[in-house]
Amino acid sequence: GESVGLHLPTLSVQEGDNSIINCAYSNSASDYFIWYKQESGKGPQFIIDIRSNMDKRQGQRVTVLLNKTVKHLSLQIAATQPGDSAVYFCAENSLSDYKLSFGAGTTVTVRA
Amino acid sequence: KAGVTQTPRYLIKTRGQQVTLSCSPISGHRSVSWYQQTPGQGLQFLFEYFSETQRNKGNFPGRFSGRQFSNSRSEMNVSTLELGDSALYLCASRPGVASTNEKLFFGSGTQLSVL
Repeated sequence: GESVGLHLPTLSVQEGDNSIINCAYSNSASDYFIWYKQESGKGPQFIIDIRSNMDKRQGQRVTVLLNKTVKHLSLQIAATQPGDSAVYFCAENSLSDYKLSFGAGTTVTVRA
Repeated sequence: KAGVTQTPRYLIKTRGQQVTLSCSPISGHRSVSWYQQTPGQGLQFLFEYFSETQRNKGNFPGRFSGRQFSNSRSEMNVSTLELGDSALYLCASRPGVASTNEKLFFGSGTQLSVL
């Protein structure tokens, strides 16, 4: 079948380029999605969220895209900077209970 | 506003011992969740407390327990420690009013090493 945004555990990006991080979620009942960034020695930090009634949401330098048909989520970071180097997690939540389920994470390394 | 505070930052224990971790949520947040993070399993949900009651639970053995106090502060306890319990334990808080559409705010975690 068609590969829509294969999840990669690592991503190396040139400073100034755009980054795209992909995530496939598992629960078709999930209605709320969050992207987190985790730097070494810190807890996950909120980046951006999106509800299931939307397919795109933009923040400062970041955009989240949601494709419910194929259960796929992506995070786009514009003009990647060294400070963007971190592990990025997607998380999903279903309306029935609040128990965020996290993806495996993608380690982003920004090359100078 | 102060963020989520977890203590201690690091802990070293030996097998068979027990450990208690502490979490102070963001002021006004009534829901506290705990997660275990390991390199192999990623972030795994342990449990959630709201108004001193456990509202949700993950798939962990009964050795893992928690509680929440009237000021919303929470503690997590692990008894009879095993080597596999070595992990970063993360606490997260949110207002807790809605069942969804609420961001979780995480602390920096407690790094537990079991020898």
